[in-house]
Amino acid sequence: DTGVSQDPRHKITKRGQNVTFRCDPISEHNRLYWYRQTLGQGPEFLTYFQNEAQLEKSRLLSDRFSAERPKGSFSTLEIQRTEQGDSAMYLCASSLAGGNTGELFFGEGSRLTVL
Amino acid sequence: AQSVTQLDSQVPVFEEAPVELRCNYSSSVSVYLFWYVQYPNQGLQLLLKYLSGSTLVKGINGFEAEFNKSQTSFHLRKPSVHISDTAEYFCAAQSGGYNKLIFGAGTRLAVHP
Repeated sequence: DTGVSQDPRHKITKRGQNVTFRCDPISEHNRLYWYRQTLGQGPEFLTYFQNEAQLEKSRLLSDRFSAERPKGSFSTLEIQRTEQGDSAMYLCASSLAGGNTGELFFGEGSRLTVL
Repeated sequence: AQSVTQLDSQVPVFEEAPVELRCNYSSSVSVYLFWYVQYPNQGLQLLLKYLSGSTLVKGINGFEAEFNKSQTSFHLRKPSVHISDTAEYFCAAQSGGYNKLIFGAGTRLAVHP
């Protein structure tokens, strides 16, 4: 399968612990996005990479959150000192640069539960 | 503020009945508009998109949507739904020049036999 893959699919952690999620985009896609989705809400934009450069960060991304895409391929999203409010589905998406076709290809998400 | 509003959080409908899921967007977002579908335990999939041209857009699985600039709407329709259409549907608009999308809160379509 050559779609967007995310790992782990589910993570349960205790408040105060650090967690890291990984996203592997479609191989030829140079744009990568992280979104957060809470129950009953649509996905909310967190951050965007073009190749290895992080070009935009949402105000939702507090100092406890950090995202990287070191070689312009896979990306990681780390949450430090997790809080119960961080419980959500974290979605990764990728797309091709150029044009404005707008189609994002989403992974199945990583569900975080903070106890 | 940029926003996308989905007017119904849940839409129950009987199988083979028509359905319309409503979406309005603020004029401050671009008019690149999308509908995505999320089946249980799956990622979001693109149903259809409006970029320009004909205001009636056809997508996968028999869905279509009509762009109405004067009403800032982009409602999704299907003339006859199936049980398999039960899912969460998200309307989205592009914001910015790099495919960043703003999503509505979603509409849960429940198709009953």
